[in-house]
Amino acid sequence: NAGVTQTPKFRILKIGQSMTLQCTQDMNHNYMYWYRQDPGMGLKLIYYSVGAGITDKGEVPNGYNVSRSTTEDFPLRLELAAPSQTSVYFCASSDRGQETQYFGPGTRLLVL
Amino acid sequence: QQQVKQSPQSLIVQKGGIPIINCAYENTAFDYFPWYQQFPGKGPALLIAIRPDVSEKKEGRFTISFNKSAKQFSLHIMDSQPGDSATYFCAAILNTGGFKTIFGAGTRLFVKA
Repeated sequence: NAGVTQTPKFRILKIGQSMTLQCTQDMNHNYMYWYRQDPGMGLKLIYYSVGAGITDKGEVPNGYNVSRSTTEDFPLRLELAAPSQTSVYFCASSDRGQETQYFGPGTRLLVL
Repeated sequence: QQQVKQSPQSLIVQKGGIPIINCAYENTAFDYFPWYQQFPGKGPALLIAIRPDVSEKKEGRFTISFNKSAKQFSLHIMDSQPGDSATYFCAAILNTGGFKTIFGAGTRLFVKA
């Protein structure tokens, strides 16, 4: 099993550009999560999903959108990139009824 | 009410020492308290976790102490090793259908050889 995979590893965006961060898991987990981690800070929950077609907001959803059309994939969309979205983004998944989350390696995003 | 406060921000100990990291929360609806370990350039990985009806849990050299009345919990690392040098995050989880996780700000631990 590859676990949770994220692409790209690193990206530079210009202000106002859009992009999609990809996240895929091969553990057949129902729950998936997106976090951002700013330097020296803990992780903040952006969005989460409890299954295909179901998503909900976390602590910091503004400026982001998600969709969950399959169990495996949970892409995160930035529509109008802003410098404040410069961060490291982590995707995670967990099995139904299990609190343990498995994290991907992260995507480092720089918005200039 | 959703915050989890973690201290200290950074910690340096000698090999064999026992670093202690503390966390406090306010929302009594949290029902699961994990600790994550993160190495540079990697995602966090679950280290150990506890439920609020248990006062202590040990797994290998790692121990969580939990004080429900004070709404505090802490991580102790026995016989710390240089390989334990990493950032440690406490977290608190709300079961809202999904598991909404609130993380502390993290503690950077350095264990001197």
